Amino acid sequence: QKEVEQNSGPLSVPEGAIASLNCTYSDRGSQSFFWYRQYSGKSPELIMSIYSNGDKEDGRFTAQLNKASQYVSLLIRDSQPSDSATYLCAVTGNSGYALNFGKGTSLLVTP
Amino acid sequence: NAGVTQTPKFQVLKTGQSMTLQCAQDMNHNSMYWYRQDPGMGLRLIYYSASEGTTDKGEVPNGYNVSRLNKREFSLRLESAAPSQTSVYFCASSGWSGTGATQYFGPGTRLLVL
Repeated sequence: QKEVEQNSGPLSVPEGAIASLNCTYSDRGSQSFFWYRQYSGKSPELIMSIYSNGDKEDGRFTAQLNKASQYVSLLIRDSQPSDSATYLCAVTGNSGYALNFGKGTSLLVTP
Repeated sequence: NAGVTQTPKFQVLKTGQSMTLQCAQDMNHNSMYWYRQDPGMGLRLIYYSASEGTTDKGEVPNGYNVSRLNKREFSLRLESAAPSQTSVYFCASSGWSGTGATQYFGPGTRLLVL
């Protein structure tokens, strides 16, 4: 079973700070990497996707990928209380279609 | 454009009863998926359909069957429900962009098996 590991948290950061969320994966063949946000009682929604080594920025969000270290991270700048949610890391599996999900990191942004 | 829709939103079953969860997407996606999400377990893939006419088992297929009715619809059937199948079920769909298959999720079905 290919694994995707995340710290469960909760990760608590003050409003306006940078939140750093980390994820490691075991399958060296994985090609696509995703970050989803899930509010309590809701479905996952896509935040970022990243496919090549390096950084990818979208607004307050930056995804970082290091395939050699099998490591993906998500940085949230200027964190807001509305960012409080569970963040799921997902990695493509053997089929290239289905995703393997981590168990998620709970983020709490305090005013 | 509704995206991915699921019915029902909530269901209570007795052990041994059967039911079908419905999923439809209007994004012209080729691939569709069924996941279950349990506390502390994350999202686990039950079955997926890479394209119309094909289905494959995921990580936790036991106790479930699926049907890819057409390109839009992918249903999940529980033939004889068990309390261990109490969960939140999510359907997702994806197109293929060449660099990866971004999945979009439906709102979920909350299932309680007594």
